[in-house]
Amino acid sequence: QSALTQPASVSGSPGQSITISCTGTSGDIGAYNYVSWYQQHPGKAPKLLIFDVNNRPSGLSTRFSASKSGNTASLTISGLQPEDEADYYCSSYITSNSVEVFGGGTKLTVL
Amino acid sequence: EVQVVESGGGLVQPGGSLRLSCTASGFLFSSYWMHWVRQAPGEGLEWVSRIEGDGSGTTYADSVKGRFTISRDNAKNTLYLQMNSLRAEDTAVYYCARDNSFYDFGSRSRKYKCFDPWGQGTLVTVSS
Repeated sequence: QSALTQPASVSGSPGQSITISCTGTSGDIGAYNYVSWYQQHPGKAPKLLIFDVNNRPSGLSTRFSASKSGNTASLTISGLQPEDEADYYCSSYITSNSVEVFGGGTKLTVL
Repeated sequence: EVQVVESGGGLVQPGGSLRLSCTASGFLFSSYWMHWVRQAPGEGLEWVSRIEGDGSGTTYADSVKGRFTISRDNAKNTLYLQMNSLRAEDTAVYYCARDNSFYDFGSRSRKYKCFDPWGQGTLVTVSS
């Protein structure tokens, strides 16, 4: 149950776009469309951003988008705003042994 | 409003036991898989365990297998995590989360696979 690999930190200026990668293997991200993304502000519970690779929950800003290519999933935040400063986590479901796995998390700093 | 609320955290000595609870409201509890996810201080999220809607199927992370037991009481809309043989490395905020997914027979895959909502978490501290 190895964790998915995310960059420890990314940064961007207000209005810019950033992309966070999440690398797994052919047994998790590469095998199924079960990638989800979460945002977590300090001291708060995680919040769902994306499910099934590239789907946004109802009401979520269209500034958040996501995709997958091979064993790597990506989250893009466009038009960065100060309130986007948070930790971001990817997750995948591994059907072969019915376990879930998270990435190590990426801290986004809005300069 | 769909929500889940955890309780039962606290300070426990190494080797001790603790039972966490998660009370659900606003949705048909028995229809959903439920999960426990934890976060050690200053660390990332770690999936702990999952239970299917009728309680028939459970899965655990290797780090807790044989020590933790997940269960549910659908009549009480409550999820549990029985934690035994606790270690210092089990110190974390424990979150309860609903699994939004359902099995789509047409595509032979799960849809809406994600954790939502999450509770506010309950802190477990293992220390002497």
